[in-house]
Amino acid sequence: DAGVIQSPRHEVTEMGQEVTLRCKPISGHNSLFWYRQTMMRGLELLIYFNNNVPIDDSGMPEDRFSAKMPNASFSTLKIQPSEPRDSAVYFCASSFGRGYKYFGAGTRLSVL
Amino acid sequence: DAKTTQPTSMDCAEGRAANLPCNHSTISGNEYVYWYRQIHSQGPQYIIHGLKNNETNEMASLIITEDRKSSTLILPHATLRDTAVYYCIVPANSNSGYALNFGKGTSLLVTP
Repeated sequence: DAGVIQSPRHEVTEMGQEVTLRCKPISGHNSLFWYRQTMMRGLELLIYFNNNVPIDDSGMPEDRFSAKMPNASFSTLKIQPSEPRDSAVYFCASSFGRGYKYFGAGTRLSVL
Repeated sequence: DAKTTQPTSMDCAEGRAANLPCNHSTISGNEYVYWYRQIHSQGPQYIIHGLKNNETNEMASLIITEDRKSSTLILPHATLRDTAVYYCIVPANSNSGYALNFGKGTSLLVTP
């Protein structure tokens, strides 16, 4: 398996634009997690899904953020409109149940 | 999650054993201890986990004290590529335990 695949690896956009980050989990995994990492706040859990259903989205910063998992092999994290303070590295991870997590390489987002 | 306490940073000479401590005095009887690491500019990587007994795999060994209030991750022969931030995590044994809450971790520097 190629592991957790995230795209794009880098995204540079202007304030106010819509940003969509994509994640393909490892085949067979039924839990998917979105994290955000900044120097100030470290790694923060944004939301996680179990069997494609959002279980806990308490970490989503505000209504500008939304995440979907339409099927077991794909998830998106959308920011609309984007702001400079959203600049961070966004990681997607997957696991089978409570098993240990496999992380993707991340998407580095810069909002100008 | 049970609270964990780790030193902020540690140094280790290449080829020597790196021993990374973690305190988790509020751990419950059925909660596991997980270790992850994050090499610069990469996603976190699972290392090892354990409940009561000591564990060893190809990457590291995990020593858990008999009272389970602390543990030590051992990298037996540290290399320069082991320079990373190491996270000790005790996920709650509940629905929220599907996710991992990363703290500050220990920044390990392996020197030539």
